Amino acid sequence: SYVLTQPPSVSVAPGKTARITCGGNNIGSKSVHWYQQKPGQAPVLVIYYDSDRPSGIPERFSGSNSGNTATLTISRVEAGDEADYYCQVWDSSSDYVVFGGGTKLTVL
Amino acid sequence: QVQLQESGPGLVKPSQTLSLTCTVSGGSISSGSYYWSWIRQPAGKGLEWIGRIYTSGSTNYNPSLKSRVTISVDTSKNQFSLKLSSVTAADTAVYYCARAPGYSSSHYMDVWGKGTTVTVSS
Repeated sequence: SYVLTQPPSVSVAPGKTARITCGGNNIGSKSVHWYQQKPGQAPVLVIYYDSDRPSGIPERFSGSNSGNTATLTISRVEAGDEADYYCQVWDSSSDYVVFGGGTKLTVL
Repeated sequence: QVQLQESGPGLVKPSQTLSLTCTVSGGSISSGSYYWSWIRQPAGKGLEWIGRIYTSGSTNYNPSLKSRVTISVDTSKNQFSLKLSSVTAADTAVYYCARAPGYSSSHYMDVWGKGTTVTVSS
């Protein structure tokens, strides 16, 4: 089965840039999607197809994907960005969705 | 805009079958091309995808749960449902339903329900 690896936590000061990684074997050949989940709330899609933003998601959120690592980048981090972030791919070999373990973003 | 709402018993006994329904509002479940998924999240843990059903009725399931899961759709009620059999305490979680555009082979989920908590306990 396909495994996605995320760091458990990332900390960043307000106004700085946060980078959350998602590692997987040749993940660059897959489409990666990212979700933001705040406490007690359902996940929200923030990036799809590696780098596309749904309407309503600030331009501060961006994504990239190459080789064995996909990255979610949040520029000019705000206190409201504090949340858990999950990456997700489709495992075409077994036809199912795989999520990363999640990364807790803390705004210092 | 489309909204999803999960419903079902909040408490299920061990070895019994967990049954949840997701009601789609703001649009028809059979119009357009969409996948309808179930995802769960144990308290304090990450997301686990359970399975999906396409508008046509075809399904895909998480291999780790496949033997216990059935997802079905009722277009007359604009709902889709989850049944998980032989539950144990490990199935205690918040259960979410979600929608994914059918054109996407990589299944990103753009609309989610608020989630419903299911506890497995005697």
